[in-house]
Amino acid sequence: GENVEQHPSTLSVQEGDSAVIKCTYSDSASNYFPWYKQELGKRPQLIIDIRSNVGEKKDQRIAVTLNKTAKHFSLHITETQPEDSAVYFCAASSSGGYQKVTFGTGTKLQVIP
Amino acid sequence: GAGVSQSPRYKVAKRGQDVALRCDPISGHVSLFWYQQALGQGPEFLTYFQNEAQLDKSGLPSDRFFAERPEGSVSTLKIQRTQQEDSAVYLCASSSTGTGWSRELFFGEGSRLTVL
Repeated sequence: GENVEQHPSTLSVQEGDSAVIKCTYSDSASNYFPWYKQELGKRPQLIIDIRSNVGEKKDQRIAVTLNKTAKHFSLHITETQPEDSAVYFCAASSSGGYQKVTFGTGTKLQVIP
Repeated sequence: GAGVSQSPRYKVAKRGQDVALRCDPISGHVSLFWYQQALGQGPEFLTYFQNEAQLDKSGLPSDRFFAERPEGSVSTLKIQRTQQEDSAVYLCASSSTGTGWSRELFFGEGSRLTVL
């Protein structure tokens, strides 16, 4: 089955700096890569996703890049703000019989004011 | 309701007790997932339903875990003879059929199970 690895496990940045979180996946059939943000004690929520037919997607301060050949994808947050502090999970999914989503282990991002 | 609802939010059980966790997905969502999230870890897949059919239960850790969705809406995750290692947050998520572009999972707030 799919295996998603994520690093770093923790990341501290100064407010205004950029943050980058990297993930790798194992199943070449995976074609959908969402990122979820989970604030302390809250439910995970989708912040951005990308399909395998594009290499990059951007939404305001957040961008995701995908390298299918190398089987890795990254989340980039620019101009970080304290409210970006949370745990971020990458995930991978294939379009087989159903969209089973496999999550990474998470990155705890702390933005220091 | 507007979102995925789970109950109870918190459950404390003595080792050996049976527990039942309920998930009420977004109305009309065909797909329903259960995940287990241990402290400091990512959600781990348990099982998947498409309507009332349980299409994948490969993530259930043992035969003490059982899930059902008899009418294709509300789902219940049952854990029999709970063990301390079952302590975790159990997340339910629903999504639309996925025939469109979006495959977003909408999560509930989770049921935190503590086994003493």
